[in-house]
Amino acid sequence: KQEVTQIPAALSVPEGENLVLNCSFTDSAIYNLQWFRQDPGKGLTSLLLIQSSQREQTSGRLNASLDKSSGRSTLYIAASQPGDSATYLCAVIRDSSYKLIFGSGTRLLVRP
Amino acid sequence: EAQVTQNPRYLITVTGKKLTVTCSQNMNHEYMSWYRQDPGLGLRQIYYSMNVEVTDKGDVPEGYKVSRKEKRNFPLILESPSPNQTSLYFCASSYGQGYGYTFGSGTRLTVV
Repeated sequence: KQEVTQIPAALSVPEGENLVLNCSFTDSAIYNLQWFRQDPGKGLTSLLLIQSSQREQTSGRLNASLDKSSGRSTLYIAASQPGDSATYLCAVIRDSSYKLIFGSGTRLLVRP
Repeated sequence: EAQVTQNPRYLITVTGKKLTVTCSQNMNHEYMSWYRQDPGLGLRQIYYSMNVEVTDKGDVPEGYKVSRKEKRNFPLILESPSPNQTSLYFCASSYGQGYGYTFGSGTRLTVV
């Protein structure tokens, strides 16, 4: 059974700091991995999608990497801002049902 | 604008009173799913559909029904809601393999 773990569960950093969020999964047979952002009580906003054949994806200050063999992905946020404060979720898509299997998230607070 | 639209955004109802949460996407996506999000349990899949008239159970289907008569719509039906179905519900859609998911804004349901 595929399990997705995110570490740390919560993170508080001063504005301007570069940071890394971690995601690990137990079964390397995945199709894709997707990172989302969720603001309190709101919906999920897709940040980056990494297909199984890719190693990384970049969008603005965000960079996500994927290492299928070790079952790990990282989300790198450069020059963090208070507006980056949110919960970050990673999800893997494993089989033909194309179901997303989510981690429990990392709650990020960027202090001004 | 490409989007997944859920209605209503908020709903308070009484035990046993049938209700439907609507979901519509304008991206011609084949895959659609319903998830519920609960504190400490994360996001769990309720039902999914890989195309018109093709639906299947997710991880927590008990107490829910779905239908996919048109490609764009995927309503979630609670025939006899109970308090343990109080949750935040999300509809999501995707083209399928190789593509990520787009989520709706969520429906916060309270059953009293």
